[in-house]
Amino acid sequence: DTGVSQNPRHKITKRGQNVTFRCDPISEHNRLYWYRQTLGQGPEFLTYFQNEAQLEKSRLLSDRFSAERPKGSFSTLEIQRTEQGDSAMYLCATTPGWGEQFFGPGTRLTVL
Amino acid sequence: GQQLNQSPQSMFIQEGEDVSMNCTSSSIFNTWLWYKQEPGEGPVLLIALYKAGELTSNGRLTAQFGITRKDSFLNISASIPSDVGIYFCAGQGETSGSRLTFGEGTQLTVNP
Repeated sequence: DTGVSQNPRHKITKRGQNVTFRCDPISEHNRLYWYRQTLGQGPEFLTYFQNEAQLEKSRLLSDRFSAERPKGSFSTLEIQRTEQGDSAMYLCATTPGWGEQFFGPGTRLTVL
Repeated sequence: GQQLNQSPQSMFIQEGEDVSMNCTSSSIFNTWLWYKQEPGEGPVLLIALYKAGELTSNGRLTAQFGITRKDSFLNISASIPSDVGIYFCAGQGETSGSRLTFGEGTQLTVNP
């Protein structure tokens, strides 16, 4: 499978714990995006990378959130001190340039 | 965050019927994308539009990029049960960089 992959697919955690998600992009896609989707809503932009550089962050990305793409390939999204409001589907998308973005299957986070 | 106005919110149709949905925005977009999402999965790209007035088809799906660059339409002809899902429009704009701004989705139910 050469599509975008995300791990884990599901994560259940207790409030206050840290969680980390991983996204593996389509090969040679130099742009990688993170979005968050809550029930009944469309995805909302969080941040994006061009190669290893993080070029833009949304106001939704609080100080508890950090994202990295150390070698310009896979990316990680970490949430520290999780809150119940962090419960959502976290989606990764990649693209070789402008336009079409191809999404992974997402990581469903539940904070108890 | 900013979202597009997508309508209708839901549709219940009989197999074989045609379907139309649309998105409008107060902002100009350079690119319009249409996605389909099924439960527990990430959005899957259906059609990409890059030019005002452009009309593009993908099988039974046809989408148009509005001349004002502030709207887009998606039509599905001769619906079948596997068309069930949530359809999202997404715009990529002059002022918002390469991030996608999503509508709230149209939930489509097809009765056999």
